Amino acid sequence: DGGITQSPKYLFRKEGQNVTLSCEQNLNHDAMYWYRQDPGQGLRLIYYSQIVNDFQKGDIAEGYSVSREKKESFPLTVTSAQKNPTAFYLCASSLTGLLAEAFFGQGTRLTVV
Amino acid sequence: AQKITQTQPGMFVQEKEAVTLDCTYDTSDQSYGLFWYKQPSSGEMIFLIYQGSYDEQNATEGRYSLNFQKARKSANLVISASQLGDSAMYFCAMRVEVGGNTPLVFGKGTRLSVIA
Repeated sequence: DGGITQSPKYLFRKEGQNVTLSCEQNLNHDAMYWYRQDPGQGLRLIYYSQIVNDFQKGDIAEGYSVSREKKESFPLTVTSAQKNPTAFYLCASSLTGLLAEAFFGQGTRLTVV
Repeated sequence: AQKITQTQPGMFVQEKEAVTLDCTYDTSDQSYGLFWYKQPSSGEMIFLIYQGSYDEQNATEGRYSLNFQKARKSANLVISASQLGDSAMYFCAMRVEVGGNTPLVFGKGTRLSVIA
């Protein structure tokens, strides 16, 4: 079945450690996105990539890094520079086009202790 | 910059009744798309419906319809015949056409609770 897979579903890390969240899609979508969700804040854009080997910062990119070496994969690294990393992280992908819906993964809940 | 505003943090509706979730948007672009997503407690985001800025007719998809009023810059979601399974967070989102796949911009969401 086609879709987006995020792993792991739950992640616990100690403060000061870097952690990488995985996002893989087999929908053959060019565009991929990372969003962060906090209670009462909706979804905020961290990074997005329109094509392989290219990506752009979103509204809250500080403390995060990404790579897009393959069309299928868009991993997100939460670095120690991110001041408040505990949140729910959602990865999405879409085809090209104004009305192309974004397909989302199941999300990763990151807790930093 | 684009902005989506959802002014209702929470809504209650009786089972089998209709409910309207409000969404207003702000953009200077003439070409844009408006989307609604549902997020159950499990956390997954489920696409419900979309509307293009040049579409003259309101979009419908089963029990969901999008009440698009361009002059008012509103794109309200109407759910008819509410079911208990409709209880979830609902997000309005927008994409503008500026050179390629611009990301969706989301509102803060409305939590809908359906009462038996």
